[in-house]
Amino acid sequence: DVQLVESGGGLVQPGGSLRLSCAASGFTISAYWLHWVRQGPGKGLVWVSRINSDGSRTGYADSVKGRFTISRDNAKNTLYLQLNSLRADDTAVYYCTRASSRIAENDHWGQGTLVTVSS
Amino acid sequence: QSVLTQPPSVSGAPGQRVTISCTGSSSNIGAGYDVHWYRQLPGTAPKLLIYGTSNRPSGVPDRFSGSKSGTSATLAITGLQAEDEADYYCQSYDTSFGGTTVFGPGTKVTVL
Repeated sequence: DVQLVESGGGLVQPGGSLRLSCAASGFTISAYWLHWVRQGPGKGLVWVSRINSDGSRTGYADSVKGRFTISRDNAKNTLYLQLNSLRADDTAVYYCTRASSRIAENDHWGQGTLVTVSS
Repeated sequence: QSVLTQPPSVSGAPGQRVTISCTGSSSNIGAGYDVHWYRQLPGTAPKLLIYGTSNRPSGVPDRFSGSKSGTSATLAITGLQAEDEADYYCQSYDTSFGGTTVFGPGTKVTVL
């Protein structure tokens, strides 16, 4: 079965940093684009970042550009998101997702990891 | 403010048909990009419901269908059931600002 399992969330102070991980199983991530999507408390889905299959191309939402960095380790079948200069409005559940291309559907989602930015 | 717009809520009685619209512009749906739909039950991750505008993944009943015309797409649910009560999101690709995935704000479906 395809599985995506996020980890690394938690409580962090404004200005702090976190590194999220997404461990994949049941498939080889090297064949897929991977995305991060977040959902604030009681809010809708917001796309955060994407990375292509070999890690050579990345994209970011304007709201996180320059603060977040997406990366992947295909040998470890794992996706990462480095979150720096965190703000209160970054508080959300962060989901990793799989897609076959930059514009394709997100056919599998992880269960999410909660990031809370608060003093 | 979302690039794609959806009604905040729709409702219907069991067995009825409801539709959810997803309205975009010439830089996303109108540019020919596919629309995908997701269903999110409370406290759970979103799940793919419709991909490529009108295709159902394996396991999704044919009560769910998708279509597109111009700069809008529509998700239709026929034979509404209690378990359909959830939040529904549309997604597409937008060529503004270097190209980004965009989601609609979501629609809450209530089964009366």
